Amino acid sequence: SYELTQAPSVSVSPGQTATITCSGDKLGERHASWYQQKPGQSPVLVIYQDNKRPSGIPQRFSGSNSGNTATLTISGTQALDEADYCCQAWDHGTAVFGPGTKVTVL
Amino acid sequence: EVQLVESGGDLVQPGRSLRLSCAASGFIFDDYAMHWVRQRPGKGLEWVSGINWNSASIGYADSVKGRFTISRDNALNKLFLQMKGLRTEDMGFYYCTRETFDCSGGDCYSRGFDYWGQGTLVSVSS
Repeated sequence: SYELTQAPSVSVSPGQTATITCSGDKLGERHASWYQQKPGQSPVLVIYQDNKRPSGIPQRFSGSNSGNTATLTISGTQALDEADYCCQAWDHGTAVFGPGTKVTVL
Repeated sequence: EVQLVESGGDLVQPGRSLRLSCAASGFIFDDYAMHWVRQRPGKGLEWVSGINWNSASIGYADSVKGRFTISRDNALNKLFLQMKGLRTEDMGFYYCTRETFDCSGGDCYSRGFDYWGQGTLVSVSS
């Protein structure tokens, strides 16, 4: 079965750039989505089709996907961006989620 | 305003059954594919099952295949998940979520899961 891997945690200072990666075999040949989840809340879609932002998602969130790695970038990270971020792709009609990366804003 | 409201979560013994419901409002329900995604305590998201707009295409995760059944009633704007033979590893929050597509020239591409319910908690313990 298809698997996605992510680093467990990333730390970033306020105002700096957070880079969160998601790896999978030939992931660049698929579309990747990214979800933000804060404690006790439901997930929120922040990036779809590799690099598109849903309405209402701030411009500081951006994405890319090439080779075996999809990347979510948060530019000018704010304290309210502290959350778990999870990637997702499709494999033969089933949705596959990565294990998630906890972003801590120090 | 799009709303997805799950219900039906409960504490059940291993081997028992449970039926989850998701009431949708604020959008044309039968225009969208719908899914169930779960989250075990302290763990990440796990896709459970999905169903297209007219129930013609249904998929399940290997971990629930043969035990869970997804269905929808477009007249009632509701999504269901019938769970049988529940196991302790089925414990967690179950989210109802909507999938949106971009379609052009006969090709459709997923825009991901754009709306989520608040989740309903399933506990399995003897």
